[in-house]
Amino acid sequence: DTAVSQTPKYLVTQMGNDKSIKCEQNLGHDTMYWYKQDSKKFLKIMFSYNNKELIINETVPNRFSPKSPDKAHLNLHINSLELGDSAVYFCASSERQAGVPTGELFFGEGSRLTVL
Amino acid sequence: AQSVTQLDSQVPVFEEAPVELRCNYSSSVSVYLFWYVQYPNQGLQLLLKYLSGSTLVKGINGFEAEFNKSQTSFHLRKPSVHISDTAEYFCAVSERRQKDMRFGAGTRLTVKP
Repeated sequence: DTAVSQTPKYLVTQMGNDKSIKCEQNLGHDTMYWYKQDSKKFLKIMFSYNNKELIINETVPNRFSPKSPDKAHLNLHINSLELGDSAVYFCASSERQAGVPTGELFFGEGSRLTVL
Repeated sequence: AQSVTQLDSQVPVFEEAPVELRCNYSSSVSVYLFWYVQYPNQGLQLLLKYLSGSTLVKGINGFEAEFNKSQTSFHLRKPSVHISDTAEYFCAVSERRQKDMRFGAGTRLTVKP
């Protein structure tokens, strides 16, 4: 039973289109994240939600909009896709101990977005 | 804010040789430290972590790391590598009571027969 699952795994689309990536975790964690991994494997945090509340919003174009309908789901919607958006997007979740994040992340398998 | 530097972008070694992947961090407060491994076309998975206590931490697949506060380092080691250890390795730091984790740029470990 997959702990953090993302769909779709691969996404090929044209510039200017709008697309969404979905993420679900069944670990009971209350914090979820989106990371972007570029072609050089560099990982950069984009967003984090805790109990459906946005707690991290790094410098990301406002074409990217996360949505968390409940604490087990965190979706990423991208408007007006550009070539530079091509990357692998990872969803992750984390647990807390005594209300403090331990920091350990559980990752999904990634969604490879290719913009043509 | 915290940051992480992985000193080697690529490390080629022969099978059964020892390996050390280097990681330095900077932070003004106490930190949690992690090593993650990413196999091709997969997500990251945790190898080991340091939260507190003993500075020598043992992880999965025979890896270990040592937290050195004075050197602000958290180097990863394995005494004898296998072909299957070929992967990308990421060091990461999380400041205690902070909300996010910062990753290093990764080290590509290639084990040759």
